[in-house]
Amino acid sequence: AQKITQTQPGMFVQEKEAVTLDCTYDTSDPSYGLFWYKQPSSGEMIFLIYQGSYDQQNATEGRYSLNFQKARKSANLVISASQLGDSAMYFCAMRDSNSGGSNYKLTFGKGTLLTVNP
Amino acid sequence: EADIYQTPRYLVIGTGKKITLECSQTMGHDKMYWYQQDPGMELHLIHYSYGVNSTEKGDLSSESTVSRIRTEHFPLTLESARPSHTSQYLCASNPRGAGADTQYFGPGTRLTVL
Repeated sequence: AQKITQTQPGMFVQEKEAVTLDCTYDTSDPSYGLFWYKQPSSGEMIFLIYQGSYDQQNATEGRYSLNFQKARKSANLVISASQLGDSAMYFCAMRDSNSGGSNYKLTFGKGTLLTVNP
Repeated sequence: EADIYQTPRYLVIGTGKKITLECSQTMGHDKMYWYQQDPGMELHLIHYSYGVNSTEKGDLSSESTVSRIRTEHFPLTLESARPSHTSQYLCASNPRGAGADTQYFGPGTRLTVL
């Protein structure tokens, strides 16, 4: 089964509007971390935001927030006030404890291509 | 954050050539990773290292090899490049201390094998 599922291959949003990018995950480990990365057309991977499984509050970083719904196993990224420079691929990723082992490896979803229209 | 350096940024090479992609960081990070990514697709882990003289294969089988002789250096080698190796290769590392869960990436190497 897919560990990370991103169901939206592409999304469009108008400049200055908010957009939500979906991510669901699958793990049986109680301790895990969820990440979002941005990949512009230049190819580099830019870390955006992190949510730990034990964190009580939803993570926020500037215009980025993570809507963490643990029972539903979802970790959606919300971008407020979209800018043209937000146009990029967005990847959701998870680190779990790999069934008790010490694990820092990430598993990535297939990504969502966000296009911000002027 | 981590300063991860990768060279070259772009490489076009003929079939059968031996290539080494360089990845380095000067922050003393123990954990380093190599990912392979085809255009518009997800990242696949091909190698990782949790310290000097420690390397492991990732989730995606790869014909490449890696070495970790020094903490700051994690090169990836293809002994005989083939067109199927055409891809982007991304190197990453985990910082120490706060934020140690997060992997930070280098700019990547786009490899084209003709």
